[in-house]
Amino acid sequence: AQSVTQLGSHVSVSEGALVLLRCNYSSSVPPYLFWYVQYPNQGLQLLLKYTSAATLVKGINGFEAEFKKSETSFHLTKPSAHMSDAAEYFCAVPYNQGGKLIFGQGTELSVKP
Amino acid sequence: DTEVTQTPKHLVMGMTNKKSLKCEQHMGHRAMYWYKQKAKKPPELMFVYSYEKLSINESVPSRFSPECPNSSLLNLHLHALQPEDSALYLCASSQELGHAFFGQGTRLTVV
Repeated sequence: AQSVTQLGSHVSVSEGALVLLRCNYSSSVPPYLFWYVQYPNQGLQLLLKYTSAATLVKGINGFEAEFKKSETSFHLTKPSAHMSDAAEYFCAVPYNQGGKLIFGQGTELSVKP
Repeated sequence: DTEVTQTPKHLVMGMTNKKSLKCEQHMGHRAMYWYKQKAKKPPELMFVYSYEKLSINESVPSRFSPECPNSSLLNLHLHALQPEDSALYLCASSQELGHAFFGQGTRLTVV
């Protein structure tokens, strides 16, 4: 069964610094991969999704992710962190055709002024 | 309209109460979901409805009872809950295979 692993439960960066959040998927190449963001006391919002059409995926709020089959990775990056980026980030993959999502454990991003 | 609307936003209920959570979407999505999320944890799937039929029940206790009255609405009926059921309950919808749109959630506290 598919799964995703997020390395680092907490990442702290300074404002203006590079953001790198790590996600690795297991076994076979999934049809989709997603990054979601969750701000405190809110639901999840889609940042970006991989659909095999392109390996470099651009999302909202200046985030992007690169699908690397050789590394089974789909890391999320942003060149310059902003205070408003502080949130919980989840990588997710579909379990099967039924629409169930398998989430990573999440990475909490803190941004220092 | 690309929103999933959940009501209420907050709910406090006693262990003997009966309450319902409501979810609505008007994106024409035929799959709708209930997730439960504890603090600092990822969402855990509870139920999936596909074309208004229950397709996945992740061994959820019977004190949680889902209902899908039509393709736009999803309810979660709560009865005799325990304090450990306190969590953020998230509704989501999607096309059959694609990314899910999530609501803002209902923060449930069981006292």
